[in-house]
Amino acid sequence: EVQLVESGGDLVQPGGSLRLSCAASGFIFGNYNMNWVRQAPGKGLEWLSYISGSTSSSAIYYADSVKGRFTISRDNAKNRLYLQMDSLRVEDTAVYYCVSASICSDGSCQTHWGQGALVTVSS
Amino acid sequence: EIVMTQSPATLSVSLGERATLSCRASQSVSSALAWYQQKPGQAPRLLIYGASTRATAIPARFSGSGSGTEFTLTISSLQSEDFAVYYCQQYSDWPRTFGQGTKVEIK
Repeated sequence: EVQLVESGGDLVQPGGSLRLSCAASGFIFGNYNMNWVRQAPGKGLEWLSYISGSTSSSAIYYADSVKGRFTISRDNAKNRLYLQMDSLRVEDTAVYYCVSASICSDGSCQTHWGQGALVTVSS
Repeated sequence: EIVMTQSPATLSVSLGERATLSCRASQSVSSALAWYQQKPGQAPRLLIYGASTRATAIPARFSGSGSGTEFTLTISSLQSEDFAVYYCQQYSDWPRTFGQGTKVEIK
């Protein structure tokens, strides 16, 4: 069974930093691209960042809202995805989801989402 | 960036009725369009990818159509478990972008 479990969510002051972690299991983590998506309270979904599966030639992309402040990375040996968040703002308050690329079996595909990690930025 | 616009914002539908949700892209995304369902307190679930292919374990009452800039998600006969918020997302270009969502509520 595919599982994604985020951790590291917390209350942090504006300007502070936080690192989210996502532990993956049930699939060959290194073979799949991964994403971070967030959802502010009562709002819609916002895609944040993508990292390709291979660490030797990772393709990385960011939303403009977090470019230069957030850094995505992965450790395929540990089956973990990370999001380093610096210079946090009040508007970064949200539930952060770790999301897999499509994982296909028997011709049918599904993406997998973690349960989410709550990040609250407030003084 | 490609802007995704969903309509309507809220759709009131009776049990057993058909629901039609729309998603428009500000420029062509070909068929690189996905639909997600999100229930309160839960993570989103992928329903449709490639504009019209149902994801794993998604019931046949969900169908997607369209290409280019105009897309539709149809729920043929609404069940109680289908009342939720639905999002479209394009994955044709970076940054990936979501629509603002359509809430399907009980009429």
